[in-house]
Amino acid sequence: DTEVTQTPKHLVMGMTNKKSLKCEQHMGHRAMYWYKQKAKKPPELMFVYSYEKLSINESVPSRFSPECPNSSLLNLHLHALQPEDSALYLCASSQGSKGGGDTDTQYFGPGTRLTVL
Amino acid sequence: AQSVTQLGSHVSVSEGALVLLRCNYSSSVPPYLFWYVQYPNQGLQLLLKYTSAATLVKGINGFEAEFKKSETSFHLTKPSAHMRDAAEYFCAVSGGFGYNKLIFGAGTRLAVHP
Repeated sequence: DTEVTQTPKHLVMGMTNKKSLKCEQHMGHRAMYWYKQKAKKPPELMFVYSYEKLSINESVPSRFSPECPNSSLLNLHLHALQPEDSALYLCASSQGSKGGGDTDTQYFGPGTRLTVL
Repeated sequence: AQSVTQLGSHVSVSEGALVLLRCNYSSSVPPYLFWYVQYPNQGLQLLLKYTSAATLVKGINGFEAEFKKSETSFHLTKPSAHMRDAAEYFCAVSGGFGYNKLIFGAGTRLAVHP
């Protein structure tokens, strides 16, 4: 089973709202990722968690706040977003290794389509 | 630094024809290379990956790719296109960062017509 699930599938929010995206995997993976994908563009890495610790933040604005409550769950908390933040948000997971994981295969979820009004 | 170039943002083929999607990479260390497919309104699905075990890599749905170090290429092929192959295809490279970071190409949209 290589399934990564994401909820909700669609989200519409105003610029003053606070919302959260959720990602879950039960493959025993220890690395989890958030990507942002704009239309007709490749995914852009936002955050990487390795063994429940934030290991990479790709200079993402603070209105995006990631959280990894346990090894199976990854959240992305959203606050005071801008219309340009509208995009498909993808979660991925990989086996992970403490020594780095260049050969790790990342498995992606179906994404959350976010619209900011 | 690692980078990936996908030649051709759009490729159109007839059903039953050969599919060839081109990917060239740049890497200062031995690369690990991946092809992903994205169907409309879906996430990315792994087609295949190269991790130095064999230069010809077979993937799902009849796709395969050949790693050619001398040409710094990792082109994706399929002998006979199906309508269901219409999608966006991304080539990606990782390696040399000390952590698992994927660098994606810009993507190639494959159209298959009857």
